[in-house]
Amino acid sequence: KNQVEQSPQSLIILEGKNCTLQCNYTVSPFSNLRWYKQDTGRGPVSLTIMTFSENTKSNGRYTATLDADTKQSSLHITASQLSDSASYICVVSHSGGYQKVTFGTGTKLQVIP
Amino acid sequence: DVKVTQSSRYLVKRTGEKVFLECVQDMDHENMFWYRQDPGLGLRLIYFSYDVKMKEKGDIPEGYSVSREKKERFSLILESASTNQTSMYLCASSSSGYTFGSGTRLTVV
Repeated sequence: KNQVEQSPQSLIILEGKNCTLQCNYTVSPFSNLRWYKQDTGRGPVSLTIMTFSENTKSNGRYTATLDADTKQSSLHITASQLSDSASYICVVSHSGGYQKVTFGTGTKLQVIP
Repeated sequence: DVKVTQSSRYLVKRTGEKVFLECVQDMDHENMFWYRQDPGLGLRLIYFSYDVKMKEKGDIPEGYSVSREKKERFSLILESASTNQTSMYLCASSSSGYTFGSGTRLTVV
């Protein structure tokens, strides 16, 4: 069964600190992996997309890593800001046929002053 | 930038009402999706469409139907709204990546 598991479920950090969010998946065949940021009451917005051959991708203070062998990804946030408070969702796409994706349930991050 | 527009941010409807949620995308994408999002359950696929007048059931289609008469517009219909359909509804459009609308928070009372 295709699954995407994220950890932790929730996280509280102090402003300015770094944090790392984890995503483990069992999706096969794998096409790509995306991290989305979702502010409360809004739709998800894409942060990064990684294919099988990529193992690191950055978007400003966000850095995603992918280990396709162990089927793990992480999202590292550097020098957190209050505006980073949001849910972060890992989404894995299956290859072949029409697009099909499996969503993680997300990590809720709260950055406090 | 691809834009996906959902017609309402917040809706309150009564049990038994027929509810229409509208979604419009402006990038000529063939694939469009309707999800609902509930705490602890993540996003669950209700229906998707890969072409005009084409539709496929997702994981939780019961109580819903969809309409795609034009490529840019994908409508979700709650035939007879029930309280367990209170949720956040997200529309998405995709080519090589997903773009989501801002969501519609529906409350059924």
